[in-house]
Amino acid sequence: DTAVSQTPKYLVTQMGNDKSIKCEQNLGHDTMYWYKQDSKKFLKIMFSYNNKELIINETVPNRFSPKSPDKAHLNLHINSLELGDSAVYFCASSLPSAGGYTFGSGTRLTVV
Amino acid sequence: GENVEQHPSTLSVQEGDSAVIKCTYSDSASNYFPWYKQELGKRPQLIIDIRSNVGEKKDQRIAVTLNKTAKHFSLHITETQPEDSAVYFCAASILTGGGNKLTFGTGTQLKVEL
Repeated sequence: DTAVSQTPKYLVTQMGNDKSIKCEQNLGHDTMYWYKQDSKKFLKIMFSYNNKELIINETVPNRFSPKSPDKAHLNLHINSLELGDSAVYFCASSLPSAGGYTFGSGTRLTVV
Repeated sequence: GENVEQHPSTLSVQEGDSAVIKCTYSDSASNYFPWYKQELGKRPQLIIDIRSNVGEKKDQRIAVTLNKTAKHFSLHITETQPEDSAVYFCAASILTGGGNKLTFGTGTQLKVEL
């Protein structure tokens, strides 16, 4: 079974729409993250939750809103999508003191 | 905040040769340094990591070295194979009891040629 699973894998949508990406992990990790990978492959953190509590909130537009209903799930909702939001969004999870992330398979978002 | 620089951006080697990728970090408080391999269209996968209380770590054909004084760390791949071709990312963070914010380098595209 996939340890960190994201849905959908691909998302093509028009500017101005609202969309959500879902993430679930079955590793028993306490911490989950959203990273954005742009067209130049740069990985940048967006948010992190530890046991459902938001602990990292980088400089991300307010149109992005994460939600963690429990420590195994972390969703990302994006309002009023813009062309510049096109990227691959990776969910990841980790144990608090273990360091290494397990990444999900990514969601390729294309805004047209 | 932390800033991680990675060089080179592309690296081409012949099969069987060694490859070295270098990273520098800015925050002297960083104590955890992982390396990730990302194949085309796939997720980044952790291949090796090192903590600041260790100077070198090996796992078969890959090794990582850390120089805390100079704030740089390197990935060494020996006897490269075509399946080593991928983008490699270094990262740095301060491990705490809560979240672990990894700051990534800009990646190195490694191509192993036959």
